[in-house]
Amino acid sequence: KNEVEQSPQNLTAQEGEFITINCSYSVGISALHWLQQHPGGGIVSLFMLSSGKKKHGRLIATINIQEKHSSLHITASHPRDSAVYICAARTSGNTPLVFGKGTRLSVIA
Amino acid sequence: DAGITQSPRHKVTETGTPVTLRCHQTENHRYMYWYRQDPGHGLRLIHYSYGVKDTDKGEVSDGYSVSRSKTEDFLLTLESATSSQTSVYFCAISDPLLSNQETQYFGPGTRLLVL
Repeated sequence: KNEVEQSPQNLTAQEGEFITINCSYSVGISALHWLQQHPGGGIVSLFMLSSGKKKHGRLIATINIQEKHSSLHITASHPRDSAVYICAARTSGNTPLVFGKGTRLSVIA
Repeated sequence: DAGITQSPRHKVTETGTPVTLRCHQTENHRYMYWYRQDPGHGLRLIHYSYGVKDTDKGEVSDGYSVSRSKTEDFLLTLESATSSQTSVYFCAISDPLLSNQETQYFGPGTRLLVL
């Protein structure tokens, strides 16, 4: 069974700081997802990775398949980035996603 | 945003009563999922569907049943609600053949309180 662990659980940052959220998983995967849950509860997908790196605006996601580890970076953080960030892994094909417990980020102006 | 709606958005019910939550999509996605979200836990899969009348159990399926009689609707039924089923329930959809690489699109959630 795949276990997905995120760290830290909670993170407080000052506006403008560079932020890193980590995700590790226990078995080989076919895809790793990063999602964002807004304070109002809505969940949106940010990235899907199977290798390498992806960038969207100030968000960068990387994955190291050999080390079973992924990171989500936020550059020049802003209070509007405050949210819960969730990683989820799929072991193969159409198997269901396994979710981490999330990292709660608060960015203070 | 993907066209996914959930109803009701909020519900209070009593222990022992049956409850049905509805997920409706307008995207013609093949896969539909029901998750619950609780403090201290990640999203946990209850049931999912990979086509009309095709469903399978997830990690926390006990006490829940589902039905999918048409592509756009996926119903979650709590046969006899218990206080441990107080949670926020999310529906999600995906279709690797139609949309971006198995991305899941989530509904707005349903808050259920079982007294």
